[in-house]
Amino acid sequence: EPEVTQTPSHQVTQMGQEVILRCVPISNHLYFYWYRQILGQKVEFLVSFYNNEISEKSEIFDDQFSVERPDGSNFTLKIRSTKLEDSAMYFCASSLGTSGAKNIQYFGAGTRLSVL
Amino acid sequence: AQSVSQHNHHVILSEAASLELGCNYSYGGTVNLFWYVQYPGQHLQLLLKYFSGDPLVKGIKGFEAEFIKSKFSFNLRKPSVQWSDTAEYFCAVNPGSSNTGKLIFGQGTTLQVKP
Repeated sequence: EPEVTQTPSHQVTQMGQEVILRCVPISNHLYFYWYRQILGQKVEFLVSFYNNEISEKSEIFDDQFSVERPDGSNFTLKIRSTKLEDSAMYFCASSLGTSGAKNIQYFGAGTRLSVL
Repeated sequence: AQSVSQHNHHVILSEAASLELGCNYSYGGTVNLFWYVQYPGQHLQLLLKYFSGDPLVKGIKGFEAEFIKSKFSFNLRKPSVQWSDTAEYFCAVNPGSSNTGKLIFGQGTTLQVKP
């Protein structure tokens, strides 16, 4: 079964550093998402991406965050200057569409980001 | 505020016991509803989904859920759990007001099944 892959599985960084989290969505999917889960809290929506632009973003997704699909396969989340509170598990997901059965989102295993 | 609530944070059951996990949401109008499961060390996997039609939906591994519109609920059930059902379970809603497919998650329920 096709799957979403994320790298790295664990990223440790110093506060103030830039990090890029990488995702390879399922190849024929058109919609891409990032979610995050701070330890002990809910999985939270960050951003959705379609046709090379952001289609929706949450309040969490401020100017420190950006997303990009640099080529035909990768989907990246960049955090420009990491803060301690960015420490979380970051999940990438993809789907065929946004309604009905097409909005079944397939998730990657996540990247655990630890900001020291 | 609009949200998704899972009432049980941590459930411990013996094998063969019946399971019901509650999920309520506060979005009006059309919603798409999902239950995801995360086994230890693995990614989120879809258990079942509801878009329209029969409010009783069946998913993988013997799970089912019932959509009760009047109660804004989508509870997950399984008549007889197994040790392998030990996992974290997440209810998620795609509000009809969103045309981007975003999912709003509940806080998750950790299920521990004792052999």
